[in-house]
Amino acid sequence: DTGVSQDPRHKITKRGQNVTFRCDPISEHNRLYWYRQTLGQGPEFLTYFQNEAQLEKSRLLSDRFSAERPKGSFSTLEIQRTEQGDSAMYLCASSWTVAGTEAFFGQGTRLTVV
Amino acid sequence: TQLLEQSPQFLSIQEGENLTVYCNSSSVFSSLQWYRQEPGEGPVLLVTVVTGGEVKKLKRLTFQFGDARKDSSLHITAAQPGDTGLYLCAGPSVSGGSYIPTFGRGTSLIVHP
Repeated sequence: DTGVSQDPRHKITKRGQNVTFRCDPISEHNRLYWYRQTLGQGPEFLTYFQNEAQLEKSRLLSDRFSAERPKGSFSTLEIQRTEQGDSAMYLCASSWTVAGTEAFFGQGTRLTVV
Repeated sequence: TQLLEQSPQFLSIQEGENLTVYCNSSSVFSSLQWYRQEPGEGPVLLVTVVTGGEVKKLKRLTFQFGDARKDSSLHITAAQPGDTGLYLCAGPSVSGGSYIPTFGRGTSLIVHP
């Protein structure tokens, strides 16, 4: 396994458009996290899944943000009606529950809203 | 929410110097992780500390967990330009009935040749 994979690496979109990001976790990991990171800050937690169950979504930044993990495999994060304030790095991480909170990150998707 | 405070926020040093960065909280953690993040990349896990007073070494990097498990430090000996990056500490906080990694703001390190 080559690690956590995110696609695309970079996305430029116009304000008001919808965007979707994909994350493929390490195959044997049952937990998947989404974070957002802005310049000069640490990763900010958004949501996570254990297998296909989304266990926390109240930390998603607004109702424009949603995430899915069909069949407990890959995950998607969608942002509807993007705003300039959504410009950030979106990071996905995965872990094996018994490993506690050690997480393995993908390379991230850099979103720029113009 | 258990807050992790990291200091200093920025550090710019010359190759060969030693440095220490800190991660502090008012809460007790069952474990803490340290990550390094290079520009445009995701964080990479360096180490997990679990036991109060624990010291772990990773080549020129020495990690220490405080006796009370509220703080941790990372010491780099003879820093090299390849050590440049954002150093993040993370600890478990409860969300959705389980523990999730929660991060500090990070220390941005630049090592000049």
